[in-house]
Amino acid sequence: SQTIHQWPATLVQPVGSPLSLECTVEGTSNPNLYWYRQAAGRGLQLLFYSVGIGQISSEVPQNLSASRPQDRQFILSSKKLLLSDSGFYLCAWSVMDGTEAFFGQGTRLTVV
Amino acid sequence: DAKTTQPPSMDCAEGRAANLPCNHSTISGNEYVYWYRQIHSQGPQYIIHGLKNNETNEMASLIITEDRKSSTLILPHATLRDTAVYYCIVRVASGGSNYKLTFGKGTLLTVNP
Repeated sequence: SQTIHQWPATLVQPVGSPLSLECTVEGTSNPNLYWYRQAAGRGLQLLFYSVGIGQISSEVPQNLSASRPQDRQFILSSKKLLLSDSGFYLCAWSVMDGTEAFFGQGTRLTVV
Repeated sequence: DAKTTQPPSMDCAEGRAANLPCNHSTISGNEYVYWYRQIHSQGPQYIIHGLKNNETNEMASLIITEDRKSSTLILPHATLRDTAVYYCIVRVASGGSNYKLTFGKGTLLTVNP
């Protein structure tokens, strides 16, 4: 069966520090991969999606970036965090036809 | 993707049916209606999807109007654990050039004891 792993579960980082969140998927090949952010009391905002290795589409211009070094690995990064980067970050995957998406448990990031 | 409109919140008594409406008046012929829900502090969970026929699974039923401009998600016997934000999404099922999966604000369903 397919599983998605996302870590860490919680993270507290100072302003200006770098960020690296990792997401891996098991049990499937060539998945679509997604990064979302949910600020406190807000809806889900699509940040990046990827349809293959090295193929990244950005939805929101900001100080975040994403990379897909391997088929089932998706990484969200920042060189310098801002207070506004605080939120609940979710990784998700879907099969190529995109019918159903499966979400990880999320990372709650607090920038202080 | 066609936009959707959902009420911001709804209440339902435990054990009763919860009927969550969604308007998608600009839906295209090849776009499906999807429903997800997000329980507090968790990732969204897929519930059901359909094109034009009514659909039912172990979680819920989806009723799509004949003109496909609106739909209703039905939880037949709501429990306290069904309290969540429910998202209605309209999108093309097949990837093609449209791989994005975007969420609106959804409906906060509160099931009361």
